[in-house]
Parts: sequence; C-alpha cells; structure tokens
Amino acid sequence: EVQLVESGGGLVQPGGSLRLSCAASGFRLSDYWMSWVRQAPGKGLEWVANIHQYGSEKYYVDSVKGRFTISRDNANNSLHLQMNSLRIEDTAVYYCARDRDRLDPWGQGTLVTVSS
Amino acid sequence: ETLMTQSPATLSLSPGERATLSCRASQSVNSNLAWYQQKPGQAPRLLIYGASTRATGIPARFSGSGSGTEFTLTISSLQSEDFAVYYCQQYNDWPPWTFGQGTKVEIK
Repeated sequence: EVQLVESGGGLVQPGGSLRLSCAASGFRLSDYWMSWVRQAPGKGLEWVANIHQYGSEKYYVDSVKGRFTISRDNANNSLHLQMNSLRIEDTAVYYCARDRDRLDPWGQGTLVTVSS
Repeated sequence: ETLMTQSPATLSLSPGERATLSCRASQSVNSNLAWYQQKPGQAPRLLIYGASTRATGIPARFSGSGSGTEFTLTISSLQSEDFAVYYCQQYNDWPPWTFGQGTKVEIK
C-alpha cells in the first residue's frame, strides 16, 4: 500500500523554526517528484514547494522563498521541509504528496501553529 | 501564474441529484487539470486527472470534462459520502501549481 506519513508539526513562536518530515512507504521515493501543500484553518489548498527525484531541482511558492527549504533522503524514503523565520500566516496543516503533476496520494497532514 | 476560479462556492443538493461543479483557468491549461475531494478532517483525495480520467478506485458517477480554460466535474447521482469540498488544480503552468478556492457540496 502506498502511504505517506507526516510528522514534526507543533506550536512555534513567530520567527522560529520547525522541520517537517514525511515518511514514504509502498513505493520507491526516488522515482517521483514530491510536493508539500498547506491548508490554513478553514481555507483552501496552497502548493508550497516541490523537489525533483534526486533533489536537483526545487521550486517554491513566492511567499516562502528564502525561508523554507525542501529536501529529500531517498535512501531512507523521507521528504523534509525546513521552515525558518516562521510567520503567523504560515499556520496551516502541511501535507506531503507524491507529485506526478497531479498530486496522489497525500499524507494525513501535520499541523503547524505559529503563535506567541 | 495561472489563477483558478471555481463556481459556485456552495452547492446545496439532495442525495440522488446531479451535481455540476465548474472550474475556470485564467489562461489555457490544455487538459492538465485535476479534481480532488476533501472531507472534514481528512486529506484531499485525487478524483480526476487529465481533465477526464478517473483515478484508481473512483466510482463511475464522477466524471470530468473540458479543456483549455473551462472545466466541469459532474457527480451523476449524489451519494451521502459525496458531500464534501471539491478542488480543481492546474498542472500546466508551474511553478506554482495552483488550486481553485473550492466548491462545497452540502446536503439540502
């Protein structure tokens, strides 16, 4: 069964940092691009970043450029999102998803709350 | 950046009725469009990709159509489990991938 499980969310103060992880199983991570997508409370979906199979290309939405870094460890079937200089507006559930242009499947999400 | 606009924001229908959801792109995305379903407290689930191809395990009552800038998701006969929020996403022009704001299908 193809499965993605996120972890690492929590409560952090504005300006703080957090590192999210996504554990993949049931498929070979190195065969796929991977994405992070977020959803603020009560809001819609916003794509955040994605990464090439071997990490050679990375793309970000403008609002996180210079603050977030996506990375992957294919040997350990894991995807990561390092989030620095967090803002209140970064509060959201963060999902990882296998990226074949369409996003499928998605993990269950991890909640990041930025608040003082 | 390609902007995606969905309509209506909310659709109030009864079980057994037909649901028609619309998605419009600010520029042509060819057939590079996906639809997702999201239920409360759950992650989104892929329904349709390539504008009209059902994802694995998706019932035949879900169908997608359109190309270019105008797209439609149709649910032929609403079941109780279909009441949810639906999002369209374009993957023609990136970065970024962009989503519509969602259409909530609620029980009338």
